[in-house]
Amino acid sequence: GAVVSQHPSWVICKSGTSVKIECRSLDFQATTMFWYRQFPKQSLMLMATSNEGSKATYEQGVEKDKFLINHASLTLSTLTVTSAHPEDSSFYICSARLGTEEKFFGPGTRLTVL
Amino acid sequence: GEDVEQSLFLSVREGDSSVINCTYTDSSSTYLYWYKQEPGAGLQLLTYIFSNMDMKQDQRLTVLLNKKDKHLSLRIADTQTGDSAIYFCAETGGYNKLIFGAGTRLAVHP
Repeated sequence: GAVVSQHPSWVICKSGTSVKIECRSLDFQATTMFWYRQFPKQSLMLMATSNEGSKATYEQGVEKDKFLINHASLTLSTLTVTSAHPEDSSFYICSARLGTEEKFFGPGTRLTVL
Repeated sequence: GEDVEQSLFLSVREGDSSVINCTYTDSSSTYLYWYKQEPGAGLQLLTYIFSNMDMKQDQRLTVLLNKKDKHLSLRIADTQTGDSAIYFCAETGGYNKLIFGAGTRLAVHP
């Protein structure tokens, strides 16, 4: 299958700082990428849909000013958690769409906010 | 609305078949997916089925789709310890986004 990478794989930061997470499609171009968060032992919750060259579409209840998404190229989308707080600690996973229906996921980024 | 439900836990003996069930609500879903997640890792796409099919087989995996009942199942033949993981089914929601179930934790014991 196609490969999607995320960086960093884990990050610990102080409360009030901003953290940037990168999602890259390594061997294909993805006009659409998706950002999810997953709490322990729970399912994935879609946060936003990232479209190359345009604004992201956020799900209801997700603060667009807090979770900034940039999809500047066909292989890279970034999620920036601004002014992070302990409740933002979670596992963040991105996926990239190959073709019309195949969606491949990155390995995830574990964020811990102290 | 869009909702996907799965049983939370399944325990099977090594070598037996595992059947993981899922129900969904959006009859307009064009594709339905099965993903596998191992501890601390992302999701691995196992297989997907187009909504006009009722069965898809891929090596040890068999997917059955009952569109009338909105029921999807994943059968793993000859289950091995390496199959222990959480399995998520997902349907295609609006704007081609995935709606996930809560995940079924499969435990394989000797």
